[in-house]
Amino acid sequence: GENVEQHPSTLSVQEGDSAVIKCTYSDSASNYFPWYKQELGKRPQLIIDIRSNVGEKKDQRIAVTLNKTAKHFSLHITETQPEDSAVYFCAAVETSYDKVIFGPGTSLSVIP
Amino acid sequence: ETGVTQSPTHLIKTRGQQVTLRCSSQSGHNTVSWYQQALGQGPQFIFQYYREEENGRGNFPPRFSGLQFPNYSSELNVNALELDDSALYLCASSPTDRGDTGELFFGEGSRLTVL
Repeated sequence: GENVEQHPSTLSVQEGDSAVIKCTYSDSASNYFPWYKQELGKRPQLIIDIRSNVGEKKDQRIAVTLNKTAKHFSLHITETQPEDSAVYFCAAVETSYDKVIFGPGTSLSVIP
Repeated sequence: ETGVTQSPTHLIKTRGQQVTLRCSSQSGHNTVSWYQQALGQGPQFIFQYYREEENGRGNFPPRFSGLQFPNYSSELNVNALELDDSALYLCASSPTDRGDTGELFFGEGSRLTVL
């Protein structure tokens, strides 16, 4: 089955700097890669996603890149703000069941 | 539009007991997935229900079972509770038809503590 790895596990940046989180996946058949943000004590919420027919997608300060050959994808947050502090999960979809497999998470702290 | 709701929000059980967690999917969503999230970890896929049938299962033993009802609400049952079952159990619904995966809409979760 699909396995998703994520790095780093924790990340601290100064407000205004950029943050990058990297993930790898194992199943070459996976074709959908969402990113979820989970604030402390809250539910995970989708912030951006990318499908395998696209190499990059951007939404304001957030962008995701996908390299299908290398089986890795990354989340880029520019001009970070304190409210970006949360745990971020990458995920990959195992197409045989459409089940979403999550990475272990990255705890991002944005220091004012 | 009503979001995903779960009950109970918190509960405490002892080893060997059984627990039932409930989830009401978002209006119009026919697919429900259950995840176990241990402290400091990512959500682990338990199983998914699509139109009342199990549609995929993760690496969880048979004592984890589920149901989906005609109104697409769902239950997660765990028998013979073990200490390691202590976790946040998340339910997520989606309007997914097979082969068209999209966003998961999560509930707030049920936090289970096994003593």
